Amino acid sequence: QKEVEQNSGPLSVPEGAIASLNCTYSDRGSQSFFWYRQYSGKSPELIMFIYSNGDKEDGRFTAQLNKASQYVSLLIRDSQPSDSATYLCAAEMNRDDKIIFGKGTRLHILP
Amino acid sequence: NAGVTQTPKFQVLKTGQSMTLQCAQDMNHNSMYWYRQDPGMGLRLIYYSASEGTTDKGEVPNGYNVSRLNKREFSLRLESAAPSQTSVYFCASRTAGRAYNDQFFGPGTRLTVL
Repeated sequence: QKEVEQNSGPLSVPEGAIASLNCTYSDRGSQSFFWYRQYSGKSPELIMFIYSNGDKEDGRFTAQLNKASQYVSLLIRDSQPSDSATYLCAAEMNRDDKIIFGKGTRLHILP
Repeated sequence: NAGVTQTPKFQVLKTGQSMTLQCAQDMNHNSMYWYRQDPGMGLRLIYYSASEGTTDKGEVPNGYNVSRLNKREFSLRLESAAPSQTSVYFCASRTAGRAYNDQFFGPGTRLTVL
């Protein structure tokens, strides 16, 4: 079992709706959490970073962290076709800068 | 400011051949990483280096060796390539510490082992 788990999808969401992506992690010592977007054939790009419980908002993106339940989520509001990509969740293990990724969730925004 | 650079971009090897993948960053980052990405598998950590002079194993270190040559450069070596090592390899770097949200990836090396 991977230390960071994601539903592989695909997740299909109508344009303009809210896309909700979820991630769970197994190591309670994990401190920092990341969401990356990766287009096909491209490198991952960091879009959100969170290390405190609660919500963090940046434009159309909101990251949510619940350390007690060991889950992280990403909400994308007003979804656009350009949001269609694979979204990778990652966690930093035990403060030693070891960053582990989940398998990623494929998101399709339907025009 | 080039960010994270990787060479080569593409490589084809025969089983048993060796090669070194090069990675360099110009952002004065402390931590550097090597990942491999296979279809449906996300990114898997091979090795990482939290600071110059240190390296640690990740999730899939077997068949690989690394060298943190200096703060800028982190190389990955395949001593005897196997078809199972066919993958896309990404190098990344980051400022260490939980307050830093600046992990950047290189463009990747697409490796095929025949």
